[in-house]
Amino acid sequence: DAGVIQSPRHEVTEMGQEVTLRCKPISGHDYLFWYRQTMMRGLELLIYFNNNVPIDDSGMPEDRFSAKMPNASFSTLKIQPSEPRDSAVYFCASRQRGGIGTGELFFGEGSRLTVL
Amino acid sequence: GESVGLHLPTLSVQEGDNSIINCAYSNSASDYFIWYKQESGKGPQFIIDIRSNMDKRQGQRVTVLLNKTVKHLSLQIAATQPGDSAVYFCAENVNNDMRFGAGTRLTVKP
Repeated sequence: DAGVIQSPRHEVTEMGQEVTLRCKPISGHDYLFWYRQTMMRGLELLIYFNNNVPIDDSGMPEDRFSAKMPNASFSTLKIQPSEPRDSAVYFCASRQRGGIGTGELFFGEGSRLTVL
Repeated sequence: GESVGLHLPTLSVQEGDNSIINCAYSNSASDYFIWYKQESGKGPQFIIDIRSNMDKRQGQRVTVLLNKTVKHLSLQIAATQPGDSAVYFCAENVNNDMRFGAGTRLTVKP
């Protein structure tokens, strides 16, 4: 398996532009997570899905952020409009199933976003 | 709110020595814990996990200890190698919600 695939790896954009980050989880994994990583705040959970349904989006910073999972093999995280404070590395991760003892998350390589 | 935190932000050890990385958690409902390693430019990678009904688990060169009384988790790395240099995160699981601590940077000196 190729692992969790994220795109783009790097994105530089100007304030006010729309940004879309994409993720392909590992086939057969029921859970998908979006995290944001910054030096100041570390790894923050933004949202996670179970069987394509959003379960907890309490970590989404504000209405400018939205995430979708139209099918089991694809998810997007969208920021509109983007702001410089959104600059971070965004990670997507997937997990096979829930319950204790099964919590290993498989992370993608991340999408480094810079908003000028 | 309750969160996972780390005692030490940085740790420097000599190659061959043992390393101990600590983590404090405050959510008593956490039932499962994982240590991750993150190398520069990469996503976190699973090292070892432990359930809340255990107090110790060993892997290859790594041991995780869990003290529920004081809500403390530690990762021990035996015979630390240069390849162990990375940022280490503890994460706790509550109802399938995986939350990460701030991370500790481990530097291994040759």
